Amino acid sequence: QMTQSPSSLSAYVGDRVTITCRASQSIANFLNWYQQKPGKAPKLLIYAASSLQTGVSSRFSGSGSGPDFTLTISSLQPDDFATYHCQQTYATPWTFGQGTKVEIK
Amino acid sequence: EVQLVESGGGLVQPGGSLRLSCAASGFTLSNYWMHWVRQGPGKGLVWVARIDSDGSSTTYADSVKGRFTISRDNAKNTLFLQMDSLRDEDTAVYFCARLYGYNRSPYSYYMDVWGEGTTVTVSS
Repeated sequence: QMTQSPSSLSAYVGDRVTITCRASQSIANFLNWYQQKPGKAPKLLIYAASSLQTGVSSRFSGSGSGPDFTLTISSLQPDDFATYHCQQTYATPWTFGQGTKVEIK
Repeated sequence: EVQLVESGGGLVQPGGSLRLSCAASGFTLSNYWMHWVRQGPGKGLVWVARIDSDGSSTTYADSVKGRFTISRDNAKNTLFLQMDSLRDEDTAVYFCARLYGYNRSPYSYYMDVWGEGTTVTVSS
């Protein structure tokens, strides 16, 4: 089970934002982060806890090795307002966190 | 352009059936394992089912086991999800997703291409 916190947050453009995902069991570093905008498909941002997917802005970063993992947006931009999901691929069935909605303040 | 497009969603009564399709373009479907993931109204993503590259191996979430069947037609570059005995709690947007392995570990995977989803509503 993956528990994300917070479930939602409000922030200003330019803020540093941190989202946490806690694993209920050991998952090593097999943790991915996705961004999803309303009505759209999820988009991969980070894989293996800290590897940036090709083409994704360097203002996104991931860290952690269990049980707590973190997604950080260094300077929030207007395009970053979305819902963020973590996913573990170590234990079956693969599970996602419940999502964190990032809104404009 | 690499793309997945789902279709087949709609309104169905409890106990009914639907068949979802996922058309792949811009890549060779037979080279990839594929997954279905769903998202209930206002809820998070939930993995539903997966199928290996030639369709010989399938796995399901406990919540859909025995009711849903994942299959594929590689010649037509299409993935399917047959959904029978539908329940209210199956109401969701259903996404198909391509699986990518980034190294040799059996755990090193991510879903790198997703469709935009098709909506299934189960209601009387």
